[in-house]
Amino acid sequence: DAGVIQSPRHEVTEMGQEVTLRCKPISGHDYLFWYRQTMMRGLELLIYFNNNVPIDDSGMPEDRFSAKMPNASFSTLKIQPSEPRDSAVYFCASSRGGQGSYEQYFGPGTRLTVT
Amino acid sequence: SQKIEQNSEALNIQEGKTATLTCNYTNYSPAYLQWYRQDPGRGPVFLLLIRENEKEKRKERLKVTFDTTLKQSLFHITASQPADSATYLCALAGYSSASKIIFGSGTRLSIRP
Repeated sequence: DAGVIQSPRHEVTEMGQEVTLRCKPISGHDYLFWYRQTMMRGLELLIYFNNNVPIDDSGMPEDRFSAKMPNASFSTLKIQPSEPRDSAVYFCASSRGGQGSYEQYFGPGTRLTVT
Repeated sequence: SQKIEQNSEALNIQEGKTATLTCNYTNYSPAYLQWYRQDPGRGPVFLLLIRENEKEKRKERLKVTFDTTLKQSLFHITASQPADSATYLCALAGYSSASKIIFGSGTRLSIRP
């Protein structure tokens, strides 16, 4: 398996523009997680899905952020409109289970810069 | 609120020595504790999992301890090598599948030749 795939790897956009980040989890993994990592706040969980259904989106910072998982092999995280404070590295991860006894497999991340 | 603390300062160790990283937590009773390694420009990679009823877990040169009384985990790398240089993250989770994994901010480890 190729592991978790994310695209794009880098995104530079202007404030106010819409940004869409994409993720393909590992086949057979029932859980998908979206994280944001910054120097100030570390790695924060934004939202996670179980069998394509959003379970907990309490980490989504505000209504400008939305995430979907239309099928088991694809998820998107959208920011509309984007702001400079959204600049961060966004990771997608997948796992076989949702409990802490399951390891998470992370993608390479998308480095987002909003100017 | 739940809080996880890792060494905020970078750790510099001479090659061949044992590196020890600390993960302390408050206001939480985790059932599982995980350690991840993160290299610059990459996502975290899982290393070890230890359960609350386990005192110690080993994997090759790695050893993790979990003290639920002290609310602390120690992560040891023996016979350290420059290739071990990275940021190491601890993560905690409860029993339930609805329990989110919470990550610490990580400790940067540098092994000098």
